[in-house]
Amino acid sequence: DAKTTQPPSMDCAEGRAANLPCNHSTISGNEYVYWYRQIHSQGPQYIIHGLKNNETNEMASLIITEDRKSSTLILPHATLRDTAVYYCIVRELNSGNTPLVFGKGTRLSVIA
Amino acid sequence: DSGVTQTPKHLITATGQRVTLRCSPRSGDLSVYWYQQSLDQGLQFLIQYYNGEERAKGNILERFSAQQFPDLHSELNLSSLELGDSALYFCASSGGLAGLNEQFFGPGTRLTVL
Repeated sequence: DAKTTQPPSMDCAEGRAANLPCNHSTISGNEYVYWYRQIHSQGPQYIIHGLKNNETNEMASLIITEDRKSSTLILPHATLRDTAVYYCIVRELNSGNTPLVFGKGTRLSVIA
Repeated sequence: DSGVTQTPKHLITATGQRVTLRCSPRSGDLSVYWYQQSLDQGLQFLIQYYNGEERAKGNILERFSAQQFPDLHSELNLSSLELGDSALYFCASSGGLAGLNEQFFGPGTRLTVL
């Protein structure tokens, strides 16, 4: 079973920041938070991951709370092409060769 | 483009039949994973191979089997097909130069069982 809780759906206006929350209250010290997204029926796409510090890359920023029980994925300027299902996944450190456990994710709709 | 290729893109077949789905991982990736995505079950892990050997099993039915060949491509065999096997089947790979953290997914094979 997925170890994360996400809202089933969210809307965001085009050009605004999309803030997608994820609750992972049972996360353990050696587990990372990963985010993937799936644009309609395409293969899931890796976005970002982090342990406890905030992370940023060309796609998004990841903010993890100090107690690590929740996190927020931020798409700074959402576009229509960001409409997708976003999955928050918790994985152990050095578990790169283990399968991903997907929950139901958040369906983000970016509206013009 | 993730670098992972899957064939065929679409497959339509009848109940009771057998099909083979093919996956070519990213160059240098040693791990291949198979996932199934149906409307009611979401994305579910089926099986993983690492450098030719089975590494992990998920919710894979006994009617399904897979293998990874010496050139690292993988095939997923589905037999005695049922209506409920209709789904998107994704292959992913990892473990190459990009490191172990990311899994790169192919575009999927859409299987329709009539």
